[in-house]
Amino acid sequence: GAVVSQHPSWVICKSGTSVKIECRSLDFQATTMFWYRQFPKQSLMLMATSNEGSKATYEQGVEKDKFLINHASLTLSTLTVTSAHPEDSSFYICSARQGHTGELFFGEGSRLTVL
Amino acid sequence: GQQLNQSPQSMFIQEGEDVSMNCTSSSIFNTWLWYKQDPGEGPVLLIALYKAGELTSNGRLTAQFGITRKDSFLNISASIPSDVGIYFCAGQKGPGTASKLTFGTGTRLQVTL
Repeated sequence: GAVVSQHPSWVICKSGTSVKIECRSLDFQATTMFWYRQFPKQSLMLMATSNEGSKATYEQGVEKDKFLINHASLTLSTLTVTSAHPEDSSFYICSARQGHTGELFFGEGSRLTVL
Repeated sequence: GQQLNQSPQSMFIQEGEDVSMNCTSSSIFNTWLWYKQDPGEGPVLLIALYKAGELTSNGRLTAQFGITRKDSFLNISASIPSDVGIYFCAGQKGPGTASKLTFGTGTRLQVTL
């Protein structure tokens, strides 16, 4: 089946630094990618919708200047957490929608810990 | 943002027992999906439902799309230890490719031998 890969799968950084997480669709072209955040023992909350070649659409309450999303190609979207703080520590998950079939595939997630 | 309410929140069952969980919403969804998430992993799709009243099976899993379009349930028959995990429902309002998913609050399943 289709595969969506995230990198890194986990990262630890110091407060104030920026961290970039990549989401790649390995064997299909993704017209739309979605970024979610999941805190421990909670559900997935949509942060933003990313369309190739255009600006991301952010959900209410998500700071676009803090969570920079770039969808530069049909197989890659990146999420950059800028000036990270401990409260940004979370599990970040992307999903990619295959343009041809409309099916949605999830990445394996990236765990961010900010010290 | 909106979340779908799942119940039960968690459950402990014995191996071999059947499991039932449901998902309700205050608004209508046109597609219902059920996912399973293992610790430290992304969710994996179990069953997709596209039509009100639809009943769909995938091995030991059976899910139904409620007639009102505001609910769905998932049954797991003859549970086994690898069924342990968190089960999420998700609703999608539109048919369009840009339509986003709204996730449920999750049901954590523990299976004892």
